[in-house]
Amino acid sequence: GESVGLHLPTLSVQEGDNSIINCAYSNSASDYFIWYKQESGKGPQFIIDIRSNMDKRQGQRVTVLLNKTVKHLSLQIAATQPGDSAVYFCAEKGNYGGSQGNLIFGKGTKLSVKP
Amino acid sequence: GAGVSQSPRYKVTKRGQDVALRCDPISGHVSLYWYRQALGQGPEFLTYFNYEAQQDKSGLPNDRFSAERPEGSISTLTIQRTEQRDSAMYRCASSLAGGDQPQHFGDGTRLSIL
Repeated sequence: GESVGLHLPTLSVQEGDNSIINCAYSNSASDYFIWYKQESGKGPQFIIDIRSNMDKRQGQRVTVLLNKTVKHLSLQIAATQPGDSAVYFCAEKGNYGGSQGNLIFGKGTKLSVKP
Repeated sequence: GAGVSQSPRYKVTKRGQDVALRCDPISGHVSLYWYRQALGQGPEFLTYFNYEAQQDKSGLPNDRFSAERPEGSISTLTIQRTEQRDSAMYRCASSLAGGDQPQHFGDGTRLSIL
């Protein structure tokens, strides 16, 4: 399948360790944020979302943190597994500019898990 | 269906030909989105629909690109007089109604213009 990980920042972690992937978003008016995981040859897969009225949300093995002051989003993956190896994208959606539907994706981060 | 379905999976055509890419959203999803993704980058927005109404087409690169969703379900993205720069992965996503709903993506159509 196609490689989505070309020329992307790479985070390499040992299996079982925790991973933290960071993202800076562009617009302070954005009010909804999503993390996606993308494996080679596949479309982006929804992981977790968070609204701007929250600063933390937890899912299964994942936690998203939102810092609106510095426009920063992070994804924490607990006990990282080889199956977590993929490219991770953050995306923002805002009620501005006449468009309330589209997501704006950040630069991806390639997560590589060493067994 | 269980997920967003896109067809064809791969499309190779000669420059100047028209192409039509199809998206079948998740059943019950009101909103449908088209994106284009270059290698190593995140998807970039093209256009989106709520039901059959095209709400925003600001991301379409030029007037050779158009999209429709006549019955509020399946959508077609059409590119007329294709050019080599149109080569890319085209992705469709769908979501439930309402402001903040996650968009679920299909596996895309890889378009190659010779």
